[in-house]
Amino acid sequence: QQQVKQSPQSLIVQKGGISIINCAYENTAFDYFPWYQQFPGKGPALLIAIRPDVSEKKEGRFTISFNKSAKQFSLHIMDSQPGDSATYFCAATMTSGGSNYKLTFGKGTLLTVNP
Amino acid sequence: DAGVIQSPRHEVTEMGQEVTLRCKPISGHNSLFWYRQTMMRGLELLIYFNNNVPIDDSGMPEDRFSAKMPNASFSTLKIQPSEPRDSAVYFCASRSRPGGFFSYEQFFGPGTRLTVL
Repeated sequence: QQQVKQSPQSLIVQKGGISIINCAYENTAFDYFPWYQQFPGKGPALLIAIRPDVSEKKEGRFTISFNKSAKQFSLHIMDSQPGDSATYFCAATMTSGGSNYKLTFGKGTLLTVNP
Repeated sequence: DAGVIQSPRHEVTEMGQEVTLRCKPISGHNSLFWYRQTMMRGLELLIYFNNNVPIDDSGMPEDRFSAKMPNASFSTLKIQPSEPRDSAVYFCASRSRPGGFFSYEQFFGPGTRLTVL
């Protein structure tokens, strides 16, 4: 199965709080896990990505935590700001083989950060 | 950098009419993707082109949908005849040839919001 399950569907956080979005995958051949951010009226844009050879990747206030044995990964947004309000998608793909073009997306999480 | 360009941004049409969506990928990118986004189904890959050749069209819903890429700088997605259930946001995305960690990044256009009445 080439599914990626994302939760929660929506999330409301106060300014300065931590936002956490979780994803689980089934295909152990996946080896590239990006997160995309989408603002209203815009297309998704790459936010941060990780390979399974590391357990964590941090870029500014955004961190991906990766648990290979559990087949789970999560996005943490520290010190959440109203400008972070957007829809976040996790995704997964195989970087080798004939399907290395195909990003399998989660259903998305609508994050609202209240001022 | 112009990014991926899509037109029109909004399209309202009546059931049964032909709809053509257009995409100009980022110059130098050799992969192009068409996606459909709805609340119910999320982001769905419709078709993937590599070097202007359709590689995977398994996501195209039915024969009413067709896509072409006559050259490296232009692609169209056509729906004929359109139906109300085709109402969605359609995204085009492009990608360069994979060769490094971030070369798997897909660059999305702003989308076309299609409403079929």
